[in-house]
Amino acid sequence: NAGVMQNPRHLVRRRGQEARLRCSPMKGHSHVYWYRQLPEEGLKFMVYLQKENIIDESGMPKERFSAEFPKEGPSILRIQQVVRGDSAAYFCASSPPGTAYEQYFGPGTRLTVT
Amino acid sequence: DAKTTQPTSMDCAEGRAANLPCNHSTISGNEYVYWYRQIHSQGPQYIIHGLKNNETNEMASLIITEDRKSSTLILPHATLRDTAVYYCIVRVRWGGNKLVFGAGTILRVKS
Repeated sequence: NAGVMQNPRHLVRRRGQEARLRCSPMKGHSHVYWYRQLPEEGLKFMVYLQKENIIDESGMPKERFSAEFPKEGPSILRIQQVVRGDSAAYFCASSPPGTAYEQYFGPGTRLTVT
Repeated sequence: DAKTTQPTSMDCAEGRAANLPCNHSTISGNEYVYWYRQIHSQGPQYIIHGLKNNETNEMASLIITEDRKSSTLILPHATLRDTAVYYCIVRVRWGGNKLVFGAGTILRVKS
């Protein structure tokens, strides 16, 4: 059973460009979570999604950030008009229905904004 | 969610048991203790969780005190690959889904 997959692993964007980060959950997992880890800081929750629904987006910045988890395909975290402060590691986690806290994390996408 | 307190860092000799403490004195009856770790630059890895009984799996053991105000994660035979940041998280299991990570404990396993 493949683990959580994230791509790309590394992404470089210039200021003002858009960044799209993809997350494919483990097979059978219908819950997806996104976390961000700024340089030298801890992991912070961003958003929790189930198929076609955003359940909790309390950690998402109010502007420029959006997330989706369509019926088919991976979950996407989209950052519009990136700024240098968006440079961070973005981790996706997934869990099966009914097991709220055994979250399994992917390897992360490291976003660098130049 | 109950707040947790962990030491900032610990050292352990390779092959010896690593005992990582966590204080959670405000834990409530329906809150579980979860442990995750993050090896440098990798995604966090789930280790173990428990409510009030001691738990063991292939990775570690979790010892929770009778009053549930503290717990200890035990890695029975630490290896260099166990060097990581270890996070103790307390949360109800069914009441919400985000994990709240603190600063954790940096465990350095030395040869």
